[in-house]
Amino acid sequence: SQTIHQWPATLVQPVGSPLSLECTVEGTSNPNLYWYRQAAGRGLQLLFYSVGIGQISSEVPQNLSASRPQDRQFILSSKKLLLSDSGFYLCAWSVLAVAFFGQGTRLTVV
Amino acid sequence: AQSVTQLGSHVSVSEGALVLLRCNYSSSVPPYLFWYVQYPNQGLQLLLKYTSAATLVKGINGFEAEFKKSETSFHLTKPSAHMSDAAEYFCAVTINSGGSNYKLTFGKGTLLTVNP
Repeated sequence: SQTIHQWPATLVQPVGSPLSLECTVEGTSNPNLYWYRQAAGRGLQLLFYSVGIGQISSEVPQNLSASRPQDRQFILSSKKLLLSDSGFYLCAWSVLAVAFFGQGTRLTVV
Repeated sequence: AQSVTQLGSHVSVSEGALVLLRCNYSSSVPPYLFWYVQYPNQGLQLLLKYTSAATLVKGINGFEAEFKKSETSFHLTKPSAHMSDAAEYFCAVTINSGGSNYKLTFGKGTLLTVNP
């Protein structure tokens, strides 16, 4: 069966520091991959999606970037974190319109 | 573009009472609709999905939802609430735009509280 791993679960980073969140999927090939951010009371906002290795689409302009170096690996990065980057970040993969989510990373920028 | 509106950011019910969480969608083409549940500090778990088959969809944990095209609604119900149902619930919509990529658009969520 397919599983999705996302780490770390929590992260506290100072303003201006870099960020790297990793997500990997097991048990499937060539999945569509997504990064969402969740802010309290605002639902989930799609940040990036990828339909294949090296193919990244950005949904909103921001301080973040994404990369897909391998078929089942999706990385969310930033060179310099802002306070506004704090939030709950969720990675997901999909098959036939159904999305499955990782356990999320709680990022607090201080 | 498609969108979802969840009516009521917070719903409170008594244990054993009916649960009704409302979701209305907007889409120019036939949509796929989903309900997800999120427990504190966890990811989203799929409750049920509508993908153009039966309009009454049954999901996990006794939940079900009915797709009503005329009302553009996809409300989530459960006949009898349990304490373990306390969580945040998200309605989501996507469409088939011709490729393999399906981008979900989420509502803002409804926090369900179950009182003993």
